[in-house]
Amino acid sequence: DQQVKQNSPSLSVQEGRISILNCDYTNSMFDYFLWYKKYPAEGPTFLISISSIKDKNEDGRFTVFLNKSAKHLSLHIVPSQPGDSAVYFCAAKQGSQGNLIFGKGTKLSVKP
Amino acid sequence: DAMVIQNPRYQVTQFGKPVTLSCSQTLNHNVMYWYQQKSSQAPKLLFHYYDKDFNNEADTPDNFQSRRPNTSFCFLDIRSPGLGDAAMYLCATSKNQGNVDTQYFGPGTRLTVL
Repeated sequence: DQQVKQNSPSLSVQEGRISILNCDYTNSMFDYFLWYKKYPAEGPTFLISISSIKDKNEDGRFTVFLNKSAKHLSLHIVPSQPGDSAVYFCAAKQGSQGNLIFGKGTKLSVKP
Repeated sequence: DAMVIQNPRYQVTQFGKPVTLSCSQTLNHNVMYWYQQKSSQAPKLLFHYYDKDFNNEADTPDNFQSRRPNTSFCFLDIRSPGLGDAAMYLCATSKNQGNVDTQYFGPGTRLTVL
């Protein structure tokens, strides 16, 4: 059973608008969450993370929101740019010895 | 630039013919990981090394082995590749910073099994 779920396989957004990528998890013991971005023929690149003691972390155009009660996190990209078109993976871990558990990814397409 | 390097980027092998994928890092991280990713699936951890300590995931097939001769290099050996082993193999490293540890990935090796 998947512990980290990205229920939207794809998302299409117009350039300049907001992109919202969603991720749900089932393990309430997860305490660190990460987003990775992956271009074709490249490995995943770390984008942004959030610890469970926070509910928001912002880095430039990227903001991650964490709702622990709903076991839900989201990545907001604003404004979206064509170069943001990629597959975005959500990942979670538990404790210092926990392994990263990934979702299946959401393919974001930003149209000019 | 400090990085994670994987060679080759594309590997073709025959059914049952052993193959080795390599990973090197210049980040001086003490943890190295191997993941398998099939199309439209999440990356799946096969095993990882904390320094020289090898940690195998319970569901990693015996067909997959790994070696880490030194801090910089890690190898994935597939002893008898089957058609189901065709996938992207991703190597990653981390500094092991406790709860907030972040993994850094190489570009991957795409394995084709004929």
